[in-house]
Amino acid sequence: DARVTQTPRDKVTEMGQEVTMRCQPILGHNTVFWYRQTMMQGLELLAYFRNRAPLDDSGMPKDRFSAEMPDATLATLKIQPSEPRDSAVYFCASGLDQGPEQFFGPGTRLTVL
Amino acid sequence: GDSVTQMEGPVTLSEEAFLTINCTYTATGYPSLFWYVQYPGEGLQLLLKATKADDKGSNKGFEATYRKETTSFHLEKGSVQVSDSAVYFCALRGTGFQKLVFGTGTRLLVSP
Repeated sequence: DARVTQTPRDKVTEMGQEVTMRCQPILGHNTVFWYRQTMMQGLELLAYFRNRAPLDDSGMPKDRFSAEMPDATLATLKIQPSEPRDSAVYFCASGLDQGPEQFFGPGTRLTVL
Repeated sequence: GDSVTQMEGPVTLSEEAFLTINCTYTATGYPSLFWYVQYPGEGLQLLLKATKADDKGSNKGFEATYRKETTSFHLEKGSVQVSDSAVYFCALRGTGFQKLVFGTGTRLLVSP
C-alpha cells in the first residue's frame, strides 16, 4: 500500500529555532507539493517540484522558508528562524505529472511557542 | 487565474439526510475537477474526480457531475452517515501540468 510519509508527525518548538520537516513521496511519483493548512487561511500551496526541480515557490516566505529535494525519495521543508505565526499543519503530496491526482501525507503539526 | 468557489460551512445534517455541497469554478480550457475529503487529524484524500464535461465521478455513495455550461461540480449523497463528517474540498487542475487549485473547504457535521 503505497503512501506518502511525513516526519515528524508533531513538532513543538520555541520561537527562533530551526525546524525541518521531511517527506517521502510515493515511489515513482515525480511531482511533490508542500501545503500549509491553518484555520484562518485554509489550505495554501507553498512550493512544488517536478523531477526534483522547484517549479514554483511563490507561496513561501522566502526569508525564512526553504524547500529542497536532495533526491527522488526525500523532500524537505525548513523554517529558520521559526515564528509563532508559522504554527500550522504542513502537508506534503506527491503525484505524476501525467496524472491528475495528488496523494497527501498525514501532515506535520507544527507549534511554535 | 483559475479559481474554485464552494459553499460556506458548516453543513449540519441528520443521519440519512440528502447532502449537496455546491462548487463552481473559473478556468480556461478544460480542467479536471476533484473532490477531496479530510477526516479529522488526517491528510486530504481523493474522493472522486471527473476529467471532462458531463463525466460523473462517484465513490462511496458520493457523486458529482462535471457541468461545463454552469461551470459547476456539486457534490451529492443520497443518505449521509455520521462517518461522513469531515471537511470536503473542491479542486481543479488545468490542462497541461499545473498545480491543483483548491476551494476553501466545507465542513460537514452529521448527527445520529
